Amino acid sequence: DQQVKQNSPSLSVQEGRISILNCDYTNSMFDYFLWYKKYPAEGPTFLISISSIKDKNEDGRFTVFLNKSAKHLSLHIVPSQPGDSAVYFCAASSSRGGADGLTFGKGTHLIIQP
Amino acid sequence: SAVISQKPSRDICQRGTSLTIQCQVDSQVTMMFWYRQQPGQSLTLIATANQGSEATYESGFVIDKFPISRPNLTFSTLTVSNMSPEDSSIYLCSVGHRGGSEQFFGPGTRLTVL
Repeated sequence: DQQVKQNSPSLSVQEGRISILNCDYTNSMFDYFLWYKKYPAEGPTFLISISSIKDKNEDGRFTVFLNKSAKHLSLHIVPSQPGDSAVYFCAASSSRGGADGLTFGKGTHLIIQP
Repeated sequence: SAVISQKPSRDICQRGTSLTIQCQVDSQVTMMFWYRQQPGQSLTLIATANQGSEATYESGFVIDKFPISRPNLTFSTLTVSNMSPEDSSIYLCSVGHRGGSEQFFGPGTRLTVL
């Protein structure tokens, strides 16, 4: 029973365009969400997070949107750059992300086309 | 963010043997976690490593198979015991702070069991 779902295994986007990665969750106890980026042979790198009391958080080219009623969040990357090509994981926690184990989705492989 | 190192970075082991993975952080952290990423799967939390006491294991993971030590606030070990090919995975440690919003990951240990 997967509590965090990323239904797109891969996504191809042209350089300079917007990349939108989606994530759905089923557990109503989750109230903190994080996005990680992972290159091959490296550990995941933290990108951005959002608390359930917000519906949007922005950090440079990265914006995360949370629709709590739909149990859905998305990561927007604008503009997309070649270095953004990686696997992106959505993760959820029932407390602040640093203090609790995280539940991860299976990841979306983002490919930025030149 | 903390700098996290793991040893070994990779290993190939025979079934029935055990391997101990080390995780070292360059600063004191309150929370340390161990995850597993099986081929083609998401990251799965194995346990929370508690300093000075027994680790807290997630459903499906037991101390006899995955003994964990955490002698201080900068170091932890995970042992994979009596290994079988199904234990072939990437094992990652992560760190965070109670009340903190982020969790940071080490580079991972790629384990192959023959």
